[in-house]
Amino acid sequence: AQSVSQHNHHVILSEAASLELGCNYSYGGTVNLFWYVQYPGQHLQLLLKYFSGDPLVKGIKGFEAEFIKSKFSFNLRKPSVQWSDTAEYFCAVNWIGNTGKLIFGQGTTLQVKP
Amino acid sequence: GAGVSQSPSNKVTEKGKDVELRCDPISGHTALYWYRQSLGQGLEFLIYFQGNSAPDKSGLPSDRFSAERTGGSVSTLTIQRTQQEDSAVYLCASSPGTASNQPQHFGDGTRLSIL
Repeated sequence: AQSVSQHNHHVILSEAASLELGCNYSYGGTVNLFWYVQYPGQHLQLLLKYFSGDPLVKGIKGFEAEFIKSKFSFNLRKPSVQWSDTAEYFCAVNWIGNTGKLIFGQGTTLQVKP
Repeated sequence: GAGVSQSPSNKVTEKGKDVELRCDPISGHTALYWYRQSLGQGLEFLIYFQGNSAPDKSGLPSDRFSAERTGGSVSTLTIQRTQQEDSAVYLCASSPGTASNQPQHFGDGTRLSIL
């Protein structure tokens, strides 16, 4: 079955620390990859996406992610987090040919201490 | 511009009652999706509309769940004979077209609590 795994459920960092959140998906063909963020009290917002081309994609607010096809991974990174990055982060995958539905990971709650 | 609008924002109802949840997608978006976000289950796909038809209903958990979309715009998700396990946040998303690389835009959700 198609599935998405996020390895870190709850991450606590101090401001200026570097961030890497893991995301792996099950094998099953060509994919489109997304990271969404949900700030407290707000709706899900797109952080970045990968469809094709350069496997290193840059998103909003200094986030980036790297698609490693051989590892079925799409890890999210930020060199220096801020308190305002406190939020829940979701990795989502769409398997091409599978309508547009997204399969989400379980989410990672990031808490940044000032 | 206006985003995806969902109503009500909160709904509390007794077990066994029927509920209707509404979604107004972004104007012009032809694709509409319903997801459910619950503790322990994360975000789960429920149903996908392209225009008024639903080519993918694979995520609906039981026959108590149904959805429709009219005029290629507003969608209603109906849950009949609600159960406590239906308690969750129901999210609606829309995207401009059929291509699977179109990012989805999410609403604020309806928080459903079954007593």
